[in-house]
Amino acid sequence: EAGVAQSPRYKIIEKRQSVAFWCNPISGHATLYWYQQILGQGPKLLIQFQNNGVVDDSQLPKDRFSAERLKGVDSTLKIQPAKLEDSAVYLCASSLVGDSYEQYFGPGTRLTVT
Amino acid sequence: RKEVEQDPGPFNVPEGATVAFNCTYSNSASQSFFWYRQDCRKEPKLLMSVYSSGNEDGRFTAQLNRASQYISLLIRDSKLSDSATYLCVAFGDAGNMLTFGGGTRLMVKP
Repeated sequence: EAGVAQSPRYKIIEKRQSVAFWCNPISGHATLYWYQQILGQGPKLLIQFQNNGVVDDSQLPKDRFSAERLKGVDSTLKIQPAKLEDSAVYLCASSLVGDSYEQYFGPGTRLTVT
Repeated sequence: RKEVEQDPGPFNVPEGATVAFNCTYSNSASQSFFWYRQDCRKEPKLLMSVYSSGNEDGRFTAQLNRASQYISLLIRDSKLSDSATYLCVAFGDAGNMLTFGGGTRLMVKP
């Protein structure tokens, strides 16, 4: 079974630039999550989708971050404009159902903002 | 105060040693707890669930103490391959989301 796919794997941008990350969850997984993991910290949930609807985006900095999952399958997370403190690994995860503690993570996108 | 707190380590132990990690959580409404493992520059993966009655899986034992809001993970007979960061996770305290601790880094030496 294919795992969660993410691209790109690495991205370096200058502050104030824009960047977008893509995620394709495991086939059949209705729930998709985006996490931010800053070096030395645990992952922090940014947004949770159930199919194409947002379940929780309380920790998403909405002034600069946006995410969508238009067809209920793959998803895009965008940062516009980026700040230095956005340097982190952005992890996408999926689960079969919305209240599952077993989430399957993708390899992540490592973002460096200079 | 962080919702889930862990000693970041690193814990440096020789092969064959027994090592224990602790974790505390602040939200008594959390329903379930888990340990995830994260290898260096890799994604987190579910290691095991944590129950009040204890949960043993081979060399790994996890324990939950709800009264003290404290979770533990014991690894016996450490292997080189156990070297990783162990993330303590609370589930269900807010909208059925996973809340991760900062992780405890383990390094097992030959």
